[in-house]
Amino acid sequence: QLQLQESGPGLVKPSETLSLTCTVSGASINSGFYFWGWIRQSPGKGLEWIGSVSNSGSTYYGPSLKSRVSISVGTSKNQFSLKLTSVTAADTALYYCARSADTAILLATLFEYWGQGFLVTVTS
Amino acid sequence: EIVMTQSPATLSVSPGERATLSCRASQSVSSSLAWYQQKPGQAPRLLIYGASTRATGIPARFSGSGSGTEFTLTISSLQSEDFAVYYCQQYNNWRGTFGQGTKVEIK
Repeated sequence: QLQLQESGPGLVKPSETLSLTCTVSGASINSGFYFWGWIRQSPGKGLEWIGSVSNSGSTYYGPSLKSRVSISVGTSKNQFSLKLTSVTAADTALYYCARSADTAILLATLFEYWGQGFLVTVTS
Repeated sequence: EIVMTQSPATLSVSPGERATLSCRASQSVSSSLAWYQQKPGQAPRLLIYGASTRATGIPARFSGSGSGTEFTLTISSLQSEDFAVYYCQQYNNWRGTFGQGTKVEIK
């Protein structure tokens, strides 16, 4: 059974960079051509797709955070990561990592497997 | 960006009754529409994709319909475990946007 687990600092200071890692177990990131994504959830904005990465390293970002986001895959540790620069209080949210339901690019943001979520608070 | 609007925000239903949730897209998304269920403290769970196809393990009491800009999720006979928040999501052209959710609560 595929499982995903987010990890990283739970507190980040304003203007700094938020860095999260998603560790995948139960299958290799290299198996198949799925897309691995990050989604966040906050009371003010609901669920927001941040971006996704394929196992070949191709990236796709949502428009609202595109200028501040970087997602990469680290195949040697079966992990992928999220970096969000210049954070503000508005970036406080529950961050989820997830895997797409299919390998087709048109289904890259259809998520079948999700991590449990990781709360990141931006505060000085 | 395609905006997804769900209605109502809250739906009060008695166990055993039918629940009908609506989702509207600001422009056509064809059939690239999914529904997720989220319970407190849990991640969203994929229920329906392709507007009407149930995901693996999803009971038949959940059904989806619609295409273009108007979509519906129907829960034919609400069970106690179905009281949750439901989100629609479009994934047209690989960009995904979610609705604000409909909370289904016990009447």
